[in-house]
Amino acid sequence: ETGVTQTPRHLVMGMTNKKSLKCEQHLGHNAMYWYKQSAKKPLELMFVYNFKEQTENNSVPSRFSPECPNSSHLFLHLHTLQPEDSALYLCASSQPAGAHSYEQYFGPGTRLTVT
Amino acid sequence: EDQVTQSPEALRLQEGESSSLNCSYTVSGLRGLFWYRQDPGKGPEFLFTLYSAGEEKEKERLKATLTKKESFLHITAPKPEDSATYLCAVLTSGYSTLTFGKGTMLLVSP
Repeated sequence: ETGVTQTPRHLVMGMTNKKSLKCEQHLGHNAMYWYKQSAKKPLELMFVYNFKEQTENNSVPSRFSPECPNSSHLFLHLHTLQPEDSALYLCASSQPAGAHSYEQYFGPGTRLTVT
Repeated sequence: EDQVTQSPEALRLQEGESSSLNCSYTVSGLRGLFWYRQDPGKGPEFLFTLYSAGEEKEKERLKATLTKKESFLHITAPKPEDSATYLCAVLTSGYSTLTFGKGTMLLVSP
């Protein structure tokens, strides 16, 4: 595997379900991110982890719970979601803040539909 | 508050018809400007980083330029496979995260 991978690619869940999204990066980066992408809106940053520590939480509802067990893996745990949470969820990784090269590399995303 | 505005929202070109996409920004201290390409249902693909006014970068039919207020992505003799949404993002002083624009959806017809 190369780059940033995400599983599953598609997920349909009911409002009372609990599910998790998984992201893995093979780039040797130390920063990882979760974004939400909805139609006609800019990418919305949700969470940032630097060296496994959460450094930003962009006022995300508690029904989204991130977990970063190490610098290569990132999870997003989902529970009691709302239909408006349906979107493409993107994971990205980069060198940490302050590094000379700060490009973020994205995974293919998980298309989430909440019914 | 940092703002990134991309124009036009959508652009339709004939194959071979060159054009430019615009990304204007209002930020306090630009550390870098990034261009990405995104195909439908996929994650954004990194294209370029520009760090200072006057800088230019090229990749195949794409050329990105940067001034103190905006960036242009010039597409020379586009082909249908250049059809995608092009995203611009900025990294500013005091922040460690990117602020994205809404993107320009480009469609190149054969």
